[in-house]
Amino acid sequence: AQSVTQLDSHVSVSEGTPVLLRCNYSSSYSPSLFWYVQHPNKGLQLLLKYTSAATLVKGINGFEAEFKKSETSFHLTKPSAHMSDAAEYFCVVSSYSTLTFGKGTMLLVSP
Amino acid sequence: DGGITQSPKYLFRKEGQNVTLSCEQNLNHDAMYWYRQDPGQGLRLIYYSQIVNDFQKGDIAEGYSVSREKKESFPLTVTSAQKNPTAFYLCASSMGSSEAYGYTFGSGTRLTVV
Repeated sequence: AQSVTQLDSHVSVSEGTPVLLRCNYSSSYSPSLFWYVQHPNKGLQLLLKYTSAATLVKGINGFEAEFKKSETSFHLTKPSAHMSDAAEYFCVVSSYSTLTFGKGTMLLVSP
Repeated sequence: DGGITQSPKYLFRKEGQNVTLSCEQNLNHDAMYWYRQDPGQGLRLIYYSQIVNDFQKGDIAEGYSVSREKKESFPLTVTSAQKNPTAFYLCASSMGSSEAYGYTFGSGTRLTVV
């Protein structure tokens, strides 16, 4: 069995400040991990993925995430938030060809 | 450009009616998936298909049906047996094992029961 916990349902930041979206996972198998972003009434767009290569993964739009096996975490970060980053973000764990989604973190960016 | 097309974008259904949501992809992906999204609950898997003419139930298949007659198409029917169908429905596809490739998502269909 596998599960994903996104530790914050909402995160608020000011434009230009760092972003941290937290994700913990559990899996009985070596998982792959993903972060997706969803803008209102849109589909999900892949930001980045970890598939057992480098533990620090760089994605699109300046986002990156670090896989920490000892902490079972895969937190998403960005050094400087932009207004266009405001959206909902989903952490996803995959093993045995099954994806399990976290419940999402809404990122709010204020001017 | 390759991608996944879901239609319609908005759909209204009367109580007791069946409705079918369309999902078409031109990515030559083998696997296709249907998810339901409700506020605060993330995405839940309804059905998936890894090959033509074959599909499996996901976590919340009751009240739904699918078919996979063509590689490009994976329509979802929401039947009258689905007691709470109002939700945002997302279709996705992947080239093969999701561990390696992740998913490509359509832009969704918002279904409302009136």
